[in-house]
Amino acid sequence: LAKTTQPISMDSYEGQEVNITCSHNNIATNDYITWYQQFPSQGPRFIIQGYKTKVTNEVASLFIPADRKSSTLSLPRVSLSDTAVYYCLVVTNQAGTALIFGKGTTLSVSS
Amino acid sequence: EAGVVQSPRYKIIEKKQPVAFWCNPISGHNTLYWYRQNLGQGPELLIRYENEEAVDDSQLPKDRFSAERLKGVDSTLKIQPAELGDSAVYLCASSPSTGVKSSTEAFFGQGTRLTVV
Repeated sequence: LAKTTQPISMDSYEGQEVNITCSHNNIATNDYITWYQQFPSQGPRFIIQGYKTKVTNEVASLFIPADRKSSTLSLPRVSLSDTAVYYCLVVTNQAGTALIFGKGTTLSVSS
Repeated sequence: EAGVVQSPRYKIIEKKQPVAFWCNPISGHNTLYWYRQNLGQGPELLIRYENEEAVDDSQLPKDRFSAERLKGVDSTLKIQPAELGDSAVYLCASSPSTGVKSSTEAFFGQGTRLTVV
């Protein structure tokens, strides 16, 4: 399993763009990069996944360089409600593969 | 469509007592996970089911923890006897077994917060 490293915490203000970088030096060919978001007193929620280049959805963008050894989750114009823990996972593309979570990045957004 | 349903939401028990948590996954999801999450930590996988079969229980403390998934739908996680260190949030999740996101997108319940006193 590819190990991931991400910052423990980040602070931001409303309206700013937040970029959370995750390193995964040992990522394998069949691995996808997946990000989850967790609010207090709730279970994690899938927000985005990608294999290479750029992926964008209504919540975030995910940038993955050609060597795939890192990835950056980008949250545009954050609001107070984006305060949460963000987890970067590397998951093998095989049905039923277990999701292994690290400690994640605690993002605190202030007004 | 209903999401993953867990009960109870909160449970307070005295040490050495038994406790059980129940999970109803999303209909049609063959894969079911139980995780434990301690304060300030990420979820830790306890056991994973494919239908009725426990395919990964290497992290389940088998001396006091047990789980079952009868008929490949609902699941129950039990602790007997509970210890002070078992205080945590117990999360259940499910995912489909087919499709592009079958291995990456799991749907989590709200969890059961267990306090052992």
